Amino acid sequence: QSVLTQSPSASGTPGQRVTISCSGSSSNIGSDYVFWYQQLPGTAPKLLIYMNNQRPSGVPDRFSGSKSGTSASLAISGLRSEDEANYYCAAWDDSMRNWLFGGGTKLTVL
Amino acid sequence: EVQLVESGGGLVQPGGSLRLSCAASGFTFSNYEMHWVRQAPGKGLEWLSYITGSGNIIYYADSVKGRFTISRDNAKNSLYLHMSGLKAEDTAVYFCVRELAEEDAFDIWGQGTMVTVSS
Repeated sequence: QSVLTQSPSASGTPGQRVTISCSGSSSNIGSDYVFWYQQLPGTAPKLLIYMNNQRPSGVPDRFSGSKSGTSASLAISGLRSEDEANYYCAAWDDSMRNWLFGGGTKLTVL
Repeated sequence: EVQLVESGGGLVQPGGSLRLSCAASGFTFSNYEMHWVRQAPGKGLEWLSYITGSGNIIYYADSVKGRFTISRDNAKNSLYLHMSGLKAEDTAVYFCVRELAEEDAFDIWGQGTMVTVSS
């Protein structure tokens, strides 16, 4: 069971806006940055959001991240079929001295 | 092109050992902190280990501490993971990952190498 908690699944129709949440604690999300990774089927993960809300070059502005207290969210607007993937949040945990990943959220585009 | 290529995976018996390698290219390897992350079949991502560019600071996840050893050879642009005392639950795809220091982001991932622990 992951220390960072994500809903196992999410879904939406093309064009919709969906939000994926990630819940942690004061020793990880509450005190450090949150990162989001997208893993398309059969591929390696890809950095999607860093430092809570920053997008690497090449990531569409349809993807946005936010953080409040010990929780974080990834929002995807204008949902497209190619967004169907697993999404993972991640954060450094100061007390465990470990990087943590959430259990992942499988996004289905209906 | 910035690239990480893992190798060394395969089938190993419980209790056995294996050494994974990761060849880096397209960037100054010694300037970057590196990680190993794994993914069991059908499961999520699990961070395993971290090493600084010089190799002087190393962290491990509790699940592998004492069994796995991370190392690097900057002259060969290579990262390694020596795994011993392997268990069935170590069966996974193992990814080599580069970290962007200022952003703390895992920005480059290898394609992964599969390790299967089974008798």
